[in-house]
Amino acid sequence: EVQLLESGGGLVQPGGSLRLSCAASGFTFSSYVMSWVRQAPGKGLEWVSAISTSGGATYYADSVKGRFTISRDNSKNTVSLQMNSLRAEDTAVYYCAPSRGSVTPKWVDYWGQGTLVTVSS
Amino acid sequence: DIVMTQSPDSLAVSLGERATINCESSQSVLYSSNDKNYLAWYQQKPGQPPKLLIYWASTRESGVPDRFSGSGSGTDFTLTISSLQAEDVAVYYCQQYYSTPLTFGGGTKVEIK
Repeated sequence: EVQLLESGGGLVQPGGSLRLSCAASGFTFSSYVMSWVRQAPGKGLEWVSAISTSGGATYYADSVKGRFTISRDNSKNTVSLQMNSLRAEDTAVYYCAPSRGSVTPKWVDYWGQGTLVTVSS
Repeated sequence: DIVMTQSPDSLAVSLGERATINCESSQSVLYSSNDKNYLAWYQQKPGQPPKLLIYWASTRESGVPDRFSGSGSGTDFTLTISSLQAEDVAVYYCQQYYSTPLTFGGGTKVEIK
């Protein structure tokens, strides 16, 4: 059974930092491009970032470029998102999202329950 | 960036009737070298994460009921629920993966009339 366990969310002040992690199991983690997709309260889905299977290629939405950094550890089946300079508009549930392929993300095969990030003073 | 526009924003359909959701991309998501449309559909029920329904515009994910079907090519796509069931009440999203940034449509809420 596929499991995606996101963690690290919480309440943070504007300008602060958080590090999200996702522990994956039940599929061959090293064969999947990993993305983060977020959903603001009551809103739609927004792709945030992705990392290739080797970790050699990373991709970011313009809204987070320069502030967020994605990384992965294939030996531990984990993917992380370091979020700096957080803004109110970053408030959302963040999902870790595996997709088939080796370099660029495609469709999201599996979804976890997500972790809520709230940026507020 | 490729903009994905869904219509309608919401629709109410009687049980057993057909529901049709449209998705338009601002540029073609058909990759000529393999003749594949880089388009997926998801279902999100209240309080749950999304679930993959369809990829390559028309390939149903394993376990998805055959009342769900996807069609279209280039810039215009459709998700059809042939006979709406109560458990199909949800928001449906299209997503292109032709290029990064990946982009989603705004969602279509399907309710029972």
